[in-house]
Amino acid sequence: ETGVTQSPTHLIKTRGQQVTLRCSSQSGHNTVSWYQQALGQGPQFIFQYYREEENGRGNFPPRFSGLQFPNYSSELNVNALELDDSALYLCASSLSATNEKLFFGSGTQLSVL
Amino acid sequence: GQNIDQPTEMTATEGAIVQINCTYQTSGFNGLFWYQQHAGEAPTFLSYNVLDGLEEKGRFSSFLSRSKGYSYLLLKELQMKDSASYLCAVSIKAAGNKLTFGGGTRVLVKP
Repeated sequence: ETGVTQSPTHLIKTRGQQVTLRCSSQSGHNTVSWYQQALGQGPQFIFQYYREEENGRGNFPPRFSGLQFPNYSSELNVNALELDDSALYLCASSLSATNEKLFFGSGTQLSVL
Repeated sequence: GQNIDQPTEMTATEGAIVQINCTYQTSGFNGLFWYQQHAGEAPTFLSYNVLDGLEEKGRFSSFLSRSKGYSYLLLKELQMKDSASYLCAVSIKAAGNKLTFGGGTRVLVKP
């Protein structure tokens, strides 16, 4: 059974650019949640995808968008990057949208210069 | 909204016990989680409390009081590898398993 994998592990972008981060969910999991973790802080919920549909969104602007594919892998897209977008982006998968056990990937460290 | 508070940092000695407190204010409380996160790594699940009381798992125990909006994570017989951040997170009924995290408590274990 493979765990949650994210790519890339590190990324450097400049302000105004666009970025796509990818996540492969754990086998058998149909729900993927994305979190943003600034340095020294706890993760903040961005949005969740359940069976290819958005299933809830946190307090993030529309330039943060996502997709979930039929194999339940997911993408997080961020347009018009700002310096404050520099953070660790974590993906977590779960068996369903109500199953309490989340399995996190190791994250993508995004630096915006 | 939800508010979750936990200390920023704690230091303890190898072999000792450390208690990390977490207080929360939320409506529709559905459960409280503790995660461990080593620097540069994924958070890993430690415990889940939905009813009042103490849950014990080896060297780690977690306690919940719903009426007080309070939880703690107890780490016994501290080992150097326990140096990590410990994240308290709350779920609410209306939000399924979308979690709201506290800022995390960084625990440093010294020899």
